[in-house]
Amino acid sequence: GESVGLHLPTLSVQEGDNSIINCAYSNSASDYFIWYKQESGKGPQFIIDIRSNMDKRQGQRVTVLLNKTVKHLSLQIAATQPGDSAVYFCAENTGNTGNQFYFGTGTSLTVIP
Amino acid sequence: GAVVSQHPSWVICKSGTSVKIECRSLDFQATTMFWYRQFPKQSLMLMATSNEGSKATYEQGVEKDKFLINHASLTLSTLTVTSAHPEDSSFYICSAREGGAGANVLTFGAGSRLTVL
Repeated sequence: GESVGLHLPTLSVQEGDNSIINCAYSNSASDYFIWYKQESGKGPQFIIDIRSNMDKRQGQRVTVLLNKTVKHLSLQIAATQPGDSAVYFCAENTGNTGNQFYFGTGTSLTVIP
Repeated sequence: GAVVSQHPSWVICKSGTSVKIECRSLDFQATTMFWYRQFPKQSLMLMATSNEGSKATYEQGVEKDKFLINHASLTLSTLTVTSAHPEDSSFYICSAREGGAGANVLTFGAGSRLTVL
């Protein structure tokens, strides 16, 4: 499958600070990306998605930025809370080739109270 | 919203036995479901794409005779780990896609933890 990787395996932030989680992908044909959050022992939960015709999308306390030039996307979490502690994965899909999503390595976010 | 249910959530079995894991879409129909495997502190690895009414499509390196997938209805896919061995111990997660063309968001089940003694 395509290679999707994350820059940092772990990230610790103080409660209330903003968090930035990065993801690099290798397939320039990828046109759809999703960020998932996975808490320990649970399945991944959808956070936010972005299509390749956009470079920014905002949700509630989260923002995803996409830079197609360098094949990089990031997830920004504003005012990080203890409940945000989890592993975050980016997943990419090339719509024309099917439904498969391939996941990056994951970043473990720890929020320090 | 869309809900995907997996059963069992945890199963312990003896080496050599076969284990079946069910994945159900509770409030939508899913022509395609996906099976992932996840080792501790690692990412999700796509194993196969389960297609309703047809054979599953396996990713490279995944043994189709080892991991049998059946997608007999639009709401149910099953993964059977045949002759399980300790190295098959893992967290197995299924996902399904709701909606038609252009709807790419995957909804994941809670996962099934398999422990092979």
